[in-house]
Amino acid sequence: DIQLTQSPSFLSASVGDRVTITCRASQGISSYLAWYQQKPGKAPKLLIYAASTLQSGVPSRFSGSGSGTEFTLTISSLQPEDFATYYCQQLNSYPRTFGGGTKVEIK
Amino acid sequence: QLQLQESGPGLVKPSETLSLTCTVSGGSISSSSYYWGWIRQPPGKGLEWIGSIYYSGSTYYNPSLKSRVTISVDTSKNQFSLKLSSVTAADTAVYYCARRGSSFDYYYMDVWGKGTTVTVSS
Repeated sequence: DIQLTQSPSFLSASVGDRVTITCRASQGISSYLAWYQQKPGKAPKLLIYAASTLQSGVPSRFSGSGSGTEFTLTISSLQPEDFATYYCQQLNSYPRTFGGGTKVEIK
Repeated sequence: QLQLQESGPGLVKPSETLSLTCTVSGGSISSSSYYWGWIRQPPGKGLEWIGSIYYSGSTYYNPSLKSRVTISVDTSKNQFSLKLSSVTAADTAVYYCARRGSSFDYYYMDVWGKGTTVTVSS
């Protein structure tokens, strides 16, 4: 199985901050990576797929980059509605696996 | 627009079989473009992919659960289902169904149900 390691697991930031979350894969997955946002009590929401393609309707302050084994999710200017937990998922091979999550909280 | 809705018992006894159904509305489960999957999230923990199915019945399962999992599809009802046998307290989780879409061979889970909580307890 491909392991995904997210860092940090917890992040405290202020509105307007630039935030970067990293996802590292235990082996190369090309660009078969997606990012999701999950708020408490809600289902995950797709933000980015193919490592860097923004899902329709997702604000442009979200961006993704990387390929192979190292990927990043960046929020250029954190908004109040962005406080949530973020997960990466690899869709290169089965079983599909998720990172452990990064919780973004208000500073 | 497409919606997914999970249904099934919220309480299952240890050693019994957990059974959930996902009803797809606003679109056809028989579309050639999509797979349909199950994901779960134990309380306070991260997401775990359980498995997925194509409308033809082709399946992929997580090896960690493979001996206990069966996913099936009923195209006449626009539904797919999850059965997890011999459950223990470790199977207590929110269970989500989701659609796996694709674009130029890149995959993603773009439509999710709201999730249903299943507790394993006697």
